[in-house]
Amino acid sequence: DSGVTQTPKHLITATGQRVTLRCSPRSGDLSVYWYQQSLDQGLQFLIQYYNGEERAKGNILERFSAQQFPDLHSELNLSSLELGDSALYFCASSVESGRIPYEQYFGPGTRLTVT
Amino acid sequence: DAKTTQPPSMDCAEGRAANLPCNHSTISGNEYVYWYRQIHSQGPQYIIHGLKNNETNEMASLIITEDRKSSTLILPHATLRDTAVYYCIVRVDGAAGNKLTFGGGTRVLVKP
Repeated sequence: DSGVTQTPKHLITATGQRVTLRCSPRSGDLSVYWYQQSLDQGLQFLIQYYNGEERAKGNILERFSAQQFPDLHSELNLSSLELGDSALYFCASSVESGRIPYEQYFGPGTRLTVT
Repeated sequence: DAKTTQPPSMDCAEGRAANLPCNHSTISGNEYVYWYRQIHSQGPQYIIHGLKNNETNEMASLIITEDRKSSTLILPHATLRDTAVYYCIVRVDGAAGNKLTFGGGTRVLVKP
């Protein structure tokens, strides 16, 4: 158990819909990261938040957005869903973002199926 | 971040040491070598990381060559539960963020 929790575990929805994935980081971790894992693209970094502020952006679509709240939990919002958005979405957290390398701890993921 | 090259798959025998190679010939002086693994579809799990010295923890050992162009992850006594995809990642930490860039990894199958 990494200490990172994600809800829901599974999500099935239709094309065009909007969903929200939730992540609670490990206690004390200020940074939250979102990754997408699909069969054809592998594990890809989407976005990072540090203490409520966006820190880095990866290959995140404009239809996707995220935020980190004052209690440090984070939500990833996916809208206008397409079949290709079906994937595992992982959240990870680390102590802080800076010059010292801190390992990231991953949650169990949310499996999104778009039909 | 420097690109890494890993063999796509390897088998090893239960109880024996598993040596997983990784090439990162374009690594620069401030880039760290990280290893993660992913068991089935679970979230990736941190194993170990290093800059230039060899490192050891309760899970594995990391051997980095003197020129830092390659490294080897050693699982000293592989068990069936070590069957997973192992990712070697090279990254710089700093103001640009701490994203992990995953490649294809090495699919390790531990056989009884």
